[in-house]
Amino acid sequence: GAGVSQSPSNKVTEKGKDVELRCDPISGHTALYWYRQSLGQGLEFLIYFQGNSAPDKSGLPSDRFSAERTGGSVSTLTIQRTQQEDSAVYLCASSLGTGGASRQFFGPGTRLTVL
Amino acid sequence: AQKVTQAQTEISVVEKEDVTLDCVYETRDTTYYLFWYKQPPSGELVFLIRRNSFDEQNEISGRYSWNFQKSTSSFNFTITASQVVDSAVYFCALSGMNTGNQFYFGTGTSLTVIP
Repeated sequence: GAGVSQSPSNKVTEKGKDVELRCDPISGHTALYWYRQSLGQGLEFLIYFQGNSAPDKSGLPSDRFSAERTGGSVSTLTIQRTQQEDSAVYLCASSLGTGGASRQFFGPGTRLTVL
Repeated sequence: AQKVTQAQTEISVVEKEDVTLDCVYETRDTTYYLFWYKQPPSGELVFLIRRNSFDEQNEISGRYSWNFQKSTSSFNFTITASQVVDSAVYFCALSGMNTGNQFYFGTGTSLTVIP
């Protein structure tokens, strides 16, 4: 497909477990964003990757959250020692250019439920 | 500070009515970009429009129109002759030249069009 894909679509885990969420951006897109959307809330920025530059991690809520992007393409968001408040939909987006002018293409999201 | 406010949490209209979704923003940037995204029940955000801060011309696309007014820091979105397929959550977003490539989303307005 030509769009942004995310896996898994749904993830149920127990409190204290680690989870990994994957994002495949659109081929050729240099920018990749992770957001968190809690029930009834807007999108909370988590982290931003642009090419080979150091990522902007300013939105990560705690040191339990980390992300990497391998080869400038696929990205993995890892949440360690999950808590119930981590339950949310995690959205990934990619865009062509740098800066805020480029529109973002969003994936379908991963719904994370922490029991 | 960068901030987007969508004061309308939920709106219900009867099919064929017109409806306006409000968006008010705050930014210190002189160059910035405003966006509207639609999130249908399927969950995937769909880009609707991007407007840069130097272009205050209103735009019309079919039944959709956007009113950008820098004097009131607003970027309102009107749907004319609403249809059931317009039912979705609509997000307004802001990015700026000096915000480190972050996008700031409002909390969204949930629109329900009643047949």
